[in-house]
Amino acid sequence: EAQVTQNPRYLITVTGKKLTVTCSQNMNHEYMSWYRQDPGLGLRQIYYSMNVEVTDKGDVPEGYKVSRKEKRNFPLILESPSPNQTSLYFCASRPSDRGDTGELFFGEGSRLTVL
Amino acid sequence: RKEVEQDPGPFNVPEGATVAFNCTYSNSASQSFFWYRQDCRKEPKLLMSVYSSGNEDGRFTAQLNRASQYISLLIRDSKLSDSATYLCVVNYNFNKFYFGSGTKLNVKP
Repeated sequence: EAQVTQNPRYLITVTGKKLTVTCSQNMNHEYMSWYRQDPGLGLRQIYYSMNVEVTDKGDVPEGYKVSRKEKRNFPLILESPSPNQTSLYFCASRPSDRGDTGELFFGEGSRLTVL
Repeated sequence: RKEVEQDPGPFNVPEGATVAFNCTYSNSASQSFFWYRQDCRKEPKLLMSVYSSGNEDGRFTAQLNRASQYISLLIRDSKLSDSATYLCVVNYNFNKFYFGSGTKLNVKP
């Protein structure tokens, strides 16, 4: 089954404790991206990656890091989480063929709470 | 200023009603346009792409007005299962996606 898998789905942590949210896709997509969703603000792009070893900032990259060492994986790293990073996080992927429909395939989301 | 603006609703309509959602976007260089559907606490899923010529998929019709930077979604003969939040999405430069905050639809029996 084609899918994007995120882990953990739910996490409560404390300020300053480094954490990683993993994202893996089995569709051989070149493009992957991370979003956070907050009430009233919609989804906002954190980082995206066009392919292995190619990453770039989205609109809200502060406090986050990413890496793309393999095509299928795109982990989101919070080196020193703060309460304002409490949010619902989505990973998404899509093929890079510019002729495609533009459909983003989303993971099920990771709800993060930073105390 | 937000890149994509939507009326948050909620729109409360009876089954069988026709309902229309609108959104506006700020970047005139935006290239692709979409409507996504998001059920409560779930991931967004593509409903349909939006083209300048207008396009239809069953009970759903989407329109794009590039001159006014305006996108619409029309749902005819609403079903209970249409209850969800509808996200207007704009793609710029292939890599960047901008999401509206969503319009909530409640279809009542």
